[in-house]
Order: sequence, then structure tokens, then C-alpha cells
Amino acid sequence: DQQVKQNSPSLSVQEGRISILNCDYTNSMFDYFLWYKKYPAEGPTFLISISSIKDKNEDGRFTVFLNKSAKHLSLHIVPSQPGDSAVYFCAARGPNGYALNFGKGTSLLVTP
Amino acid sequence: DAGVIQSPRHEVTEMGQEVTLRCKPISGHNSLFWYRQTMMRGLELLIYFNNNVPIDDSGMPEDRFSAKMPNASFSTLKIQPSEPRDSAVYFCASSDGTSGAFFGQGTRLTVV
Repeated sequence: DQQVKQNSPSLSVQEGRISILNCDYTNSMFDYFLWYKKYPAEGPTFLISISSIKDKNEDGRFTVFLNKSAKHLSLHIVPSQPGDSAVYFCAARGPNGYALNFGKGTSLLVTP
Repeated sequence: DAGVIQSPRHEVTEMGQEVTLRCKPISGHNSLFWYRQTMMRGLELLIYFNNNVPIDDSGMPEDRFSAKMPNASFSTLKIQPSEPRDSAVYFCASSDGTSGAFFGQGTRLTVV
């Protein structure tokens, strides 16, 4: 049972424009959310996170928004750069443990 | 710190053989996770340890899979006997519990 869902398997954006990656979750007990970025033949690397007590967290070009009532979060990348092309995983963690539940990922392609 | 170290990076084995994947977590991290990535299921949690003790192994697919963590700096994931459907990328990750997990580069397992 997939508790974290990324319904768009792929996304293509032009360089300089905004990339918006979406994620939905079903478990209302999740209290911490993260985005990971993954290049081919490498492990996922942590990008940005947000606690459930916040609705926005910003780090440079990356901003994560959380809508708890809708059980939805999104990652905004602006401006998008070709080096941002990778698979992005949304992850969520509940209060009873450290294990992360991952979505299946969205492959982002930023074209010049 | 060198990060999470996994070995081997690639493993090709024949069906029925025993496979052992190895992981060295980041020093000082008290949680260790084994994940498996496939196209169909994305990143799925197999098992996680806290302070060397298995906390949740509900993701381990079958009795053919076993994991150990004999000390804070080493863990193994063993598949015996291996089957072609076990072919996947296996990731080890560790965490200090304050944020997300740090991943190794993965072991690409091919069972022929």
C-alpha cells in the first residue's frame, strides 16, 4: 500500500522556468517530509525538508510547500537549471520511527 | 566522513546462489535502513535497525532475505537462495534521527 504517491512519473521544463513536483500522502500521522534527488548510478541525496508544523521551507532555488489539510506537498525549483535533471523522490516519516516512506519518484528533465 | 559505504557496487549471480550485501553506516548514526529500488515498486523499505536492533522487518519480502547488524559500523543483507526477481538496486542508508537519512551508492544485483 503506497502511502506516499508521486503521480507524475516525468516532467520536462525549459531552463530558467519553474519546475513544480507534486506529492500526495495518505497517512495523517506523518510529521516530517523530505525531498531527495537522485542521479543515475548514485544513491538518493537529501535536498530539502519540512516539518508538519510549517507550511513552507525555502533553501535557495528550492522551496517546499506543505498543505496538511490536502495531504499534499510540492517542490518548486526556480529558476530550473539543466543540472537539476534527475529523479526526485518525495519521502515522509511518522512520529513513531525514523524510517522514511518514499514515493516512486518523478524524473525531471530541464532542457536548455 | 566518507558517507555510507556499500559493497559490492555490482553483483551478478546465478539463481540459487547466496548473495551478501554489505554496508558501513556513517559513524555516529544510530539508525540503519535497507531499501530496494525497482521500476515497479520504487524505493521500498526492507528493514531498519536502531542501535543495532532490528525494529521493523515487515518489508522483508520472504524468508530468503535476512539482515544483521552485529555492531554499529556494519550491516549485511543476505539473500539465500537468490532468484531472478530479486534483481534490483539495494540501498543502505543511515540516520542520526534528527533529520533524513543518508544513502550509500547502492548495490546493483542481477540474478540470472
